[in-house]
Amino acid sequence: GESVGLHLPTLSVQEGDNSIINCAYSNSASDYFIWYKQESGKGPQFIIDIRSNMDKRQGQRVTVLLNKTVKHLSLQIAATQPGDSAVYFCAEKDVGSARQLTFGSGTQLTVLP
Amino acid sequence: EAGVTQFPSHSVIEKGQTVTLRCDPISGHDNLYWYRRVMGKEIKFLLHFVKESKQDESGMPNNRFLAERTGGTYSTLKVQPAELEDSGVYFCASSQAGYTGELFFGEGSRLTVL
Repeated sequence: GESVGLHLPTLSVQEGDNSIINCAYSNSASDYFIWYKQESGKGPQFIIDIRSNMDKRQGQRVTVLLNKTVKHLSLQIAATQPGDSAVYFCAEKDVGSARQLTFGSGTQLTVLP
Repeated sequence: EAGVTQFPSHSVIEKGQTVTLRCDPISGHDNLYWYRRVMGKEIKFLLHFVKESKQDESGMPNNRFLAERTGGTYSTLKVQPAELEDSGVYFCASSQAGYTGELFFGEGSRLTVL
């Protein structure tokens, strides 16, 4: 069935290093992708999105890369800070269909001092 | 502007009891969604309202779950009778009419069924 999955359930990085969180999706019709950050006790918060007509998009300290050929999405966080510790979810959607946003299972990012 | 608010933040009930979760979306948002995250797993879609109408309820696990959105404003999600596997965090999200992009999430209602 259709699914969105993450390669690693946990990721630990040293403060100041760059983080890379990966995500694979299986629905080739998906054309819109979002990364969400969920801190403990809070709801998912939008980080960055990308549409399928792009392969890279940059925000503040974050970059999302999309490889449609292998159906892979990644989130890069530059100069990771303690406040970046959270669970990160990728989500995908086929904008032209009635299917709702489909989430992956999440990656727990821990920033080490 | 107030965000999406959910109540209660945490509910602990015994198996067989009833719980009602409430979501107040961002004012003016026609789209309202319920999602659920069971421990350690992905966030799964439950249903989608457009105003007061159920647009998609394909994610509702069974008929023990009942969602309503009377008047197209706040929504409730009732679980009756609750089972152990219903434990998890229930998230509500909203977005503007016709908007297919970002969803704005509430902080979630954690349900623990003992």
